[in-house]
Amino acid sequence: KAGVTQTPRYLIKTRGQQVTLSCSPISGHRSVSWYQQTPGQGLQFLFEYFSETQRNKGNFPGRFSGRQFSNSRSEMNVSTLELGDSALYLCASSLESRGNLGFGPGTRLTVL
Amino acid sequence: AQRVTQPEKLLSVFKGAPVELKCNYSYSGSPELFWYVQYSRQRLQLLLRHISRESIKGFTADLNKGETSFHLKKPFAQEEDSAMYYCALRGLTGGGNKLTFGTGTQLKVEL
Repeated sequence: KAGVTQTPRYLIKTRGQQVTLSCSPISGHRSVSWYQQTPGQGLQFLFEYFSETQRNKGNFPGRFSGRQFSNSRSEMNVSTLELGDSALYLCASSLESRGNLGFGPGTRLTVL
Repeated sequence: AQRVTQPEKLLSVFKGAPVELKCNYSYSGSPELFWYVQYSRQRLQLLLRHISRESIKGFTADLNKGETSFHLKKPFAQEEDSAMYYCALRGLTGGGNKLTFGTGTQLKVEL
């Protein structure tokens, strides 16, 4: 099976802009989770979607949002970008919620 | 609040020497513990989970609830073990796929 794919792989934005990141899970997987990875804070959970419903949410401001489509593909959106949003955003999928996670390669977001 | 602590940022050992990567956790309920590994230029991947009680690539980890630890061990380090290792936790019930990760330990196996 093909692994988790994320697009784009790299993004450069300026403060105040918004950005949308996309994730295609492993075929048949219904749970998609998003994580932010930074040198200072490490890996932090953003949210999880299962069958188009948000299951869990981490401690991030409302500028961070996401959604999942009927084909399990997911997008996350960050509005009003701040310098501190520069990070590697990882998507992970599993067959069921609480399953073994398969991670994507990440999207590297740089905010200038 | 749940927390995972990996006290060593970098662990350097010689090939053939034993390896122990430390992980301590704080969680009020029953935890499920994991070790993830990221090899150079590769994706983060699951190494093992405590529920499975398995040995992967010669690595084992035992959950010690008394000491709230889940240290990763291997009796003889190999060069290909050089990687970044992350310990992670989630609640045994509920919580979905919300994992709390430690900050990671870079393992370097020297010849």
